[in-house]
Amino acid sequence: GDSVTQMEGPVTLSEEAFLTINCTYTATGYPSLFWYVQYPGEGLQLLLKATKADDKGSNKGFEATYRKETTSFHLEKGSVQVSDSAVYFCALPNAGNNRKLIWGLGTSLAVNP
Amino acid sequence: DVKVTQSSRYLVKRTGEKVFLECVQDMDHENMFWYRQDPGLGLRLIYFSYDVKMKEKGDIPEGYSVSREKKERFSLILESASTNQTSMYLCASHLGGHTSGLHQPQHFGDGTRLSIL
Repeated sequence: GDSVTQMEGPVTLSEEAFLTINCTYTATGYPSLFWYVQYPGEGLQLLLKATKADDKGSNKGFEATYRKETTSFHLEKGSVQVSDSAVYFCALPNAGNNRKLIWGLGTSLAVNP
Repeated sequence: DVKVTQSSRYLVKRTGEKVFLECVQDMDHENMFWYRQDPGLGLRLIYFSYDVKMKEKGDIPEGYSVSREKKERFSLILESASTNQTSMYLCASHLGGHTSGLHQPQHFGDGTRLSIL
């Protein structure tokens, strides 16, 4: 069945460091791919998405490219800030019931000043 | 912007109580979801609803029920609360639709941190 695998955290970086959070997937067809972010004490919110192969989603300095050949959707940011400290989730629609999302387990990021 | 509102941010209840968690969305979304979030386990779907009075079990429905009498409101019910139901509960809504809905995100409330003593 469809699945999402994220790199395990926690990830700890210094401010202005480069960030990569890996996400790979197995899927039937070519679903949309999503990154969500959960800031401390809040619910999840959509960070970015890509709807087809080779699409690049971007928001708030974060980017992720939908790579069909490597079945990946890695999240990157060139220079992280303390305010980026959060949990990041990769997700895709469930092919068997596309009302539902399949979620990665989340990667916690802590950015130190 | 879509607004999903959960009735309580923090809730403390006792074992055996019947507990109601309420969620309201203001964007006429078809689909609504209840998740629980636990450290190391990510998000797990409890139930979701794709229309008024329509519901479908998620991955961990045991010990829970839901109610959707109006499109904007989706309630999660713990029939007889137990300590292993202490968790963060997240409600989400989604536009719906077979094709366009595939590309639309889910919108989340801020969560209810529930403690069962």
